[in-house]
Amino acid sequence: AQSVTQPDIHITVSEGASLELRCNYSYGATPYLFWYVQSPGQGLQLLLKYFSGDTLVQGIKGFEAEFKRSQSSFNLRKPSVHWSDAAEYFCAVGPLFSGGYNKLIFGAGTRLAVHP
Amino acid sequence: DGGITQSPKYLFRKEGQNVTLSCEQNLNHDAMYWYRQDPGQGLRLIYYSQIVNDFQKGDIAEGYSVSREKKESFPLTVTSAQKNPTAFYLCASSMIVIRGATFYNEQFFGPGTRLTVL
Repeated sequence: AQSVTQPDIHITVSEGASLELRCNYSYGATPYLFWYVQSPGQGLQLLLKYFSGDTLVQGIKGFEAEFKRSQSSFNLRKPSVHWSDAAEYFCAVGPLFSGGYNKLIFGAGTRLAVHP
Repeated sequence: DGGITQSPKYLFRKEGQNVTLSCEQNLNHDAMYWYRQDPGQGLRLIYYSQIVNDFQKGDIAEGYSVSREKKESFPLTVTSAQKNPTAFYLCASSMIVIRGATFYNEQFFGPGTRLTVL
């Protein structure tokens, strides 16, 4: 079955500390992977995506993610968290070569709190 | 500026009433989507449309209906048949991105509508 698992429902870090949000996926075809961020009551903003090539991808706001095919993981990292990073983060997986549309499968999300 | 607009931001409905949520995009995207978001459950796909006058059911279409008469617009109607309609609803649209021999879709999201049934 196709699925995305974000093992951590809530994470709290101190401002300036490093961050890693975990994402594991189960997908039969060649996947492409996304991380989105959502502030309270807002839509989703794309942080970064991976579809091929270098397995370490850079995104906006200083985030990066590493694709590890052997572990079926796509963990999101940031070396130094800012208070404005407090939000909910969603990992998603979809098919490559899908043509006119794609069906994304989303994880349940990880809510990040940042202590000053 | 190009983007996706959803209106209203907050919507209240009495039980037994149908209500329509608006979604408009000026990104010239062909495909559009509706998702429902509940706490702790991520996003679930309600309906999607690849082109005008065509749409398909997603994972949780029961109690919902859509139309796609114009490329820019994809309204969602929450009917009285939807058992638990209180949720946050997100609209998205997507474009095809071509990178050499690879192509994929990239979805962009609107700001959402929070529907509360009283």
